[in-house]
Amino acid sequence: KQEVTQIPAALSVPEGENLVLNCSFTDSAIYNLQWFRQDPGKGLTSLLLIQSSQREQTSGRLNASLDKSSGRSTLYIAASQPGDSATYLCAVLTSGSRLTFGEGTQLTVNP
Amino acid sequence: NAGVTQTPKFRILKIGQSMTLQCAQDMNHNYMYWYRQDPGMGLKLIYYSVGAGITDKGEVPNGYNVSRSTTEDFPLRLELAAPSQTSVYFCASSYSRSPQGGNQPQHFGDGTRLSIL
Repeated sequence: KQEVTQIPAALSVPEGENLVLNCSFTDSAIYNLQWFRQDPGKGLTSLLLIQSSQREQTSGRLNASLDKSSGRSTLYIAASQPGDSATYLCAVLTSGSRLTFGEGTQLTVNP
Repeated sequence: NAGVTQTPKFRILKIGQSMTLQCAQDMNHNYMYWYRQDPGMGLKLIYYSVGAGITDKGEVPNGYNVSRSTTEDFPLRLELAAPSQTSVYFCASSYSRSPQGGNQPQHFGDGTRLSIL
């Protein structure tokens, strides 16, 4: 059974800091890995999707990497802003079109 | 473009009541999904559908039923509400996964917050 773990569970940083969120998964037989953002009381917004054959994806100040063989992904956020405050979820797609989610990292960026 | 629309946004049910959570998407996606999210937890897949007339169980299907009569709609039904079903329910949709594994991201609705007392 696929299990996804995210570390840390919560993170508080001052504005402008670069930061890294971590995601690990137990079964390397994945089709892709997605990073989502969830604002309080809202649904999920897809930030980056990395196919199993790719090593990284970039969008603006966000960079996600994937090391499938070791079962790890990182989300790097450059020059963090208060508007980045949210919960970040990592999910892997495995057989049967099933996304398995981690429990998320709650990020607070302080002005 | 509305994306994925879920109704209602909030609902309180009594134990044993039934209700249907509605989900509609206007992106012509063939894949649709239902998840539940308990406080402080990630999402767990309840049911999913790869096209009209085709549904399959996810990780936590007990106590729920689904149907997919059209591409646009994917309702989730609770027949006998139980306190353990108090949760936030999310519907999502995506394009199909190619045999090579390429995939489009899943698009999520804003959720239905359901309390069962």
